[in-house]
Amino acid sequence: GEDVEQSLFLSVREGDSSVINCTYTDSSSTYLYWYKQEPGAGLQLLTYIFSNMDMKQDQRLTVLLNKKDKHLSLRIADTQTGDSAIYFCAETLYGGATNKLIFGTGTLLAVQP
Amino acid sequence: DTGVSQDPRHKITKRGQNVTFRCDPISEHNRLYWYRQTLGQGPEFLTYFQNEAQLEKSRLLSDRFSAERPKGSFSTLEIQRTEQGDSAMYLCASSRRGYNEQFFGPGTRLTVL
Repeated sequence: GEDVEQSLFLSVREGDSSVINCTYTDSSSTYLYWYKQEPGAGLQLLTYIFSNMDMKQDQRLTVLLNKKDKHLSLRIADTQTGDSAIYFCAETLYGGATNKLIFGTGTLLAVQP
Repeated sequence: DTGVSQDPRHKITKRGQNVTFRCDPISEHNRLYWYRQTLGQGPEFLTYFQNEAQLEKSRLLSDRFSAERPKGSFSTLEIQRTEQGDSAMYLCASSRRGYNEQFFGPGTRLTVL
C-alpha cells in the first residue's frame, strides 16, 4: 500500500547540519521528492531522486536513498534560520499514468539562532 | 515562467454555499493537479488533468466536487453545498509532459463557517 512516514519535528542550531528522514512502503516508487513549505505558502520543490540512484547532491542539500530499507533522507548543510519550514517527502509510483504525488505528513524544522 | 497562480488566496464561506477556485498553470504545462491539505497533514491528491481531459479522480472527490479544464489551460475546482469538513488549503500544481517536477501554486485557503 501507499504510505509515507516522517518524524514530526526537528530542532537544530544555526550552522549545524539537519537530517530529515522519511520511510515509504511501496517498493514500486519511481521518483522521490523533497518539498519545502513555509507558513501559509505553497510547496517549493527542493530536489528529487530517481529510485535507481543512491545519492544526489545539490549545493547544501544531499539526498540519500536506501532502497532496501525504503528510507530516504535529506541533509541540509550549514542550516540557516531561513531553512525553518515544514519539509515533505513525496513519491510517485511506477506504472502510474498520472505521476500523482503521495506525501508524508511533514517534518517541522526549527532552526535556533 | 511566472509560476502557478491561484485565485482567490483566501475564501471564507458559510456552510451550504458553493465556492469556485481557479488555477492558472505555468504556460505550456499540459499536466495539472489539484491537491487538498488539511492542518498538520501533507497534501492529498484530488484530481489530474492532461490537457483538457480529466484522467483521474481520487475517492476524496465526492459528488459535491467538480473540476474542469475546458481549454487545457486554466482549471476550476467547484465545491457545492460546502461543509465544515471542506475547510482546507486547496493546492494546484502543474508539470510538463516528460518531466517529473510538479510546481505548486500558493494555494487557496477555504474556511467554511
